[in-house]
Amino acid sequence: AQSVTQLGSHVSVSEGALVLLRCNYSSSVPPYLFWYVQYPNQGLQLLLKYTSAATLVKGINGFEAEFKKSETSFHLTKPSAHMSDAAEYFCASNTGRRALTFGSGTRLQVQP
Amino acid sequence: NAGVTQTPKFQVLKTGQSMTLQCAQDMNHEYMSWYRQDPGMGLRLIHYSVGAGITDQGEVPNGYNVSRSTTEDFPLRLLSAAPSQTSVYFCASSRTGADSDTQYFGPGTRLTVL
Repeated sequence: AQSVTQLGSHVSVSEGALVLLRCNYSSSVPPYLFWYVQYPNQGLQLLLKYTSAATLVKGINGFEAEFKKSETSFHLTKPSAHMSDAAEYFCASNTGRRALTFGSGTRLQVQP
Repeated sequence: NAGVTQTPKFQVLKTGQSMTLQCAQDMNHEYMSWYRQDPGMGLRLIHYSVGAGITDQGEVPNGYNVSRSTTEDFPLRLLSAAPSQTSVYFCASSRTGADSDTQYFGPGTRLTVL
C-alpha cells in the first residue's frame, strides 16, 4: 500500500529565510505527487504536482519541489519565506486508487 | 465558475441525529469525492463517484452514505451521527478521476457531534 510521510508537523522560519518542507512517499509504482496548501478555515489549494514530465516542478507563490526517485522524496522549497506563507501544507500521492493518499500535514509558521 | 461549493459551513448534531452535507460543482467534472480531516491524520477518503449513478467506498466509509443522481451534486448522508464523526468534511472533484488529475476542494463543513 502506498503511504506518504511528512517529517515535522510544525516548521518555523523567519521571514526571508528558506522554506523546506519534507515529504517521502512509498510506492511500488511511480506515483503522481501533489502539494496542497490550506489556509486557516479554508479548503485545500493545489500548489504544484509531479506527473513525470520533469523532476523539478514549479508551482504558485514561488514554491517548487523536486522529485527524487532514489530518495523517494518530493520536498517542497521556497527561497524566501513571506508572512503570507503561514499555513498548513499537505503532500499527497495518487497511484491508481482513484483517491489521494495524504501525509499528516506540516504547519508552517513564519516569524517576522 | 463557483468551483466546488459545500453547505452548511458549520453544523452541530446530537448523537443519533441524521443529516446531509451538500456538495456541488459547476466544472462538469465526472469524479467527485468526500474526505474527512482529523488533526494529525491528513485527509482520508470516505466515498467517491466516477460519474452519475456510480459510487464506491473509500478508506473510512462506515456510517456514511452517498448517491450521485446528477453530475453536479454529490451529497453525503450521516445516518445516525456519532461523536467519532466530529470532523471537518471536504468535498473534492476532478475532471475524470485519472491519477494525474488535479482535485479541486470545497471550503469544508465543520461538524460537531455531541
